[in-house]
Amino acid sequence: DVKVTQSSRYLVKRTGEKVFLECVQDMDHENMFWYRQDPGLGLRLIYFSYDVKMKEKGDIPEGYSVSREKKERFSLILESASTNQTSMYLCASSLGRLSYQPQHFGDGTRLSIL
Amino acid sequence: QQQVKQSPQSLIVQKGGISIINCAYENTAFDYFPWYQQFPGKGPALLIAIRPDVSEKKEGRFTISFNKSAKQFSLHIMDSQPGDSATYFCAASKDNAGNMLTFGGGTRLMVKP
Repeated sequence: DVKVTQSSRYLVKRTGEKVFLECVQDMDHENMFWYRQDPGLGLRLIYFSYDVKMKEKGDIPEGYSVSREKKERFSLILESASTNQTSMYLCASSLGRLSYQPQHFGDGTRLSIL
Repeated sequence: QQQVKQSPQSLIVQKGGISIINCAYENTAFDYFPWYQQFPGKGPALLIAIRPDVSEKKEGRFTISFNKSAKQFSLHIMDSQPGDSATYFCAASKDNAGNMLTFGGGTRLMVKP
């Protein structure tokens, strides 16, 4: 079974802090994704990556950056955290670029910015 | 702009009843329509999916109905059980978009015993 592990289940940070969310997958998947999940808005794509050191903007990249130095690890960075970034963050990975290949999700990090 | 609209936002069904969740999409280039199921405290997981060349797909108690002309698809859960209580997301993707998914807003389903 594919395992996607997010380093923290809960995180509380202060406004203006630089925040790192870490994600690791163990199935040698090419693609990795970061989403945020908010009630009524579903999952919105922040950034994704098709390969090491590659990154692409999703629908809501403002205020975020990412890093993929190794194939199995994809980090989401909040450069200067703000209260409107309080949310559930989900990481996912998938094998390839075909539409029918499922995405496998971690259990999420609930981030609160005070 | 939400390209995939999902309704209802929440749904309460009695045990043994039928749960129906609807989704509508705008982009006719979408060619793959998965449903993801998310239990509390867990990430979403693929439940069932359909391509637009068929009008229905059934897996156990779960069925997707697809109406290409109306650009709508729906999830039916037959004989709903309390263990089906979860949040359900419809999604859509297209083959030339590198496995990117566009999600609906989600439906929180509660099945009462």
